[in-house]
Amino acid sequence: GAGVSQSPSNKVTEKGKDVELRCDPISGHTALYWYRQSLGQGLEFLIYFQGNSAPDKSGLPSDRFSAERTGGSVSTLTIQRTQQEDSAVYLCASSLGPDSMYYGYTFGSGTRLTVV
Amino acid sequence: DQQVKQNSPSLSVQEGRISILNCDYTNSMFDYFLWYKKYPAEGPTFLISISSIKDKNEDGRFTVFLNKSAKHLSLHIVPSQPGDSAVYFCAAFDSNYQLIWGAGTKLIIKP
Repeated sequence: GAGVSQSPSNKVTEKGKDVELRCDPISGHTALYWYRQSLGQGLEFLIYFQGNSAPDKSGLPSDRFSAERTGGSVSTLTIQRTQQEDSAVYLCASSLGPDSMYYGYTFGSGTRLTVV
Repeated sequence: DQQVKQNSPSLSVQEGRISILNCDYTNSMFDYFLWYKKYPAEGPTFLISISSIKDKNEDGRFTVFLNKSAKHLSLHIVPSQPGDSAVYFCAAFDSNYQLIWGAGTKLIIKP
């Protein structure tokens, strides 16, 4: 597609359940990022995939969070045993790679996760 | 500790006037800065950027100024239009090519 696609756009889940968030990056973009935005906060970095390199997981807040990127394209962010503090908008972005810093990233519309 | 700070959570400006959004950073190693604009229920979109070798970059109604000695940058929008109402994020690239984000400033353009 023309842009970064995220699904679902909204997800309400019960505390303790697992959720999966999906991101389809722009075709040909080798870099993929997950961020989250909580109310009143800046964008918080979660994880970064670049080509076939091992992902940078330094931003994942706990071991309940994990992400995969299959075939260098689609990525899934999984949150296990969700907690209320996980409620946020989860944003995915892709870019041509580090050298695309001059143009920044292209973001998806995000998934609004609400844990009740 | 926030490395990129946007100290004004919101800003209200009359249509046609200049909007000035401010951003401060603490890491002197940051050498590339970007501004993003975000509408509700949408992802951020890239607006304008500036390299540390410059002190000004202009694109239409948008101009970004960088003061390296003060570790301060600002985004000027002139003239402000109703469609400019959005949240504006300042961001800086760190040495690992990852963006460090400010908390955002909500700009409201009054008709």
